[in-house]
Amino acid sequence: GAGVSQSPSNKVTEKGKDVELRCDPISGHTALYWYRQSLGQGLEFLIYFQGNSAPDKSGLPSDRFSAERTGGSVSTLTIQRTQQEDSAVYLCASSIGTGNTEAFFGQGTRLTVV
Amino acid sequence: AQKVTQAQTEISVVEKEDVTLDCVYETRDTTYYLFWYKQPPSGELVFLIRRNSFDEQNEISGRYSWNFQKSTSSFNFTITASQVVDSAVYFCALRGANTGNQFYFGTGTSLTVIP
Repeated sequence: GAGVSQSPSNKVTEKGKDVELRCDPISGHTALYWYRQSLGQGLEFLIYFQGNSAPDKSGLPSDRFSAERTGGSVSTLTIQRTQQEDSAVYLCASSIGTGNTEAFFGQGTRLTVV
Repeated sequence: AQKVTQAQTEISVVEKEDVTLDCVYETRDTTYYLFWYKQPPSGELVFLIRRNSFDEQNEISGRYSWNFQKSTSSFNFTITASQVVDSAVYFCALRGANTGNQFYFGTGTSLTVIP
């Protein structure tokens, strides 16, 4: 696609439920990133994929969070047993490679846990 | 450690004034890359510029200019003759060549341009 696409745009869920957030990166981009942005805050790194593998999962805040990427393309971020502190905007980005390349961001998924 | 500091949390300027957004970074990598992103009220981060650590040449793009100084570990961003459309949160980011591939973001500077 022309840009990074994320779905849904907004998600309201009840505490304790599981949610899945989807990211469709720019075609041909091998690197994919998930970040989280809480209200008025900066960007918190969650996980990085190179192809289908995730060499850096260091940012996942707990074992309730997991992510996968299939076919070197679409990625899904899953949050199990959601908590209110999980409420944030989840941003996905992709880049054509690593190092001297910029990342392009999607519009984000706003997650609200009630 | 990789770290980006944007000490200015919020800045307000009157339209047509010049404004500089500060960015100071820390890295142990000898090769690294610096970025600026704009996040308008719509929320989507927009890429503005990328610089390599071995290229200290300053860059100008229209009303935007960037001053990269390795001696002070700074990568400052100046908007000349600011406009209301420049109102946004601006993020500076760092990526090291040898310390993983994540982008380390500063906490952002919220710029408000008053008409």
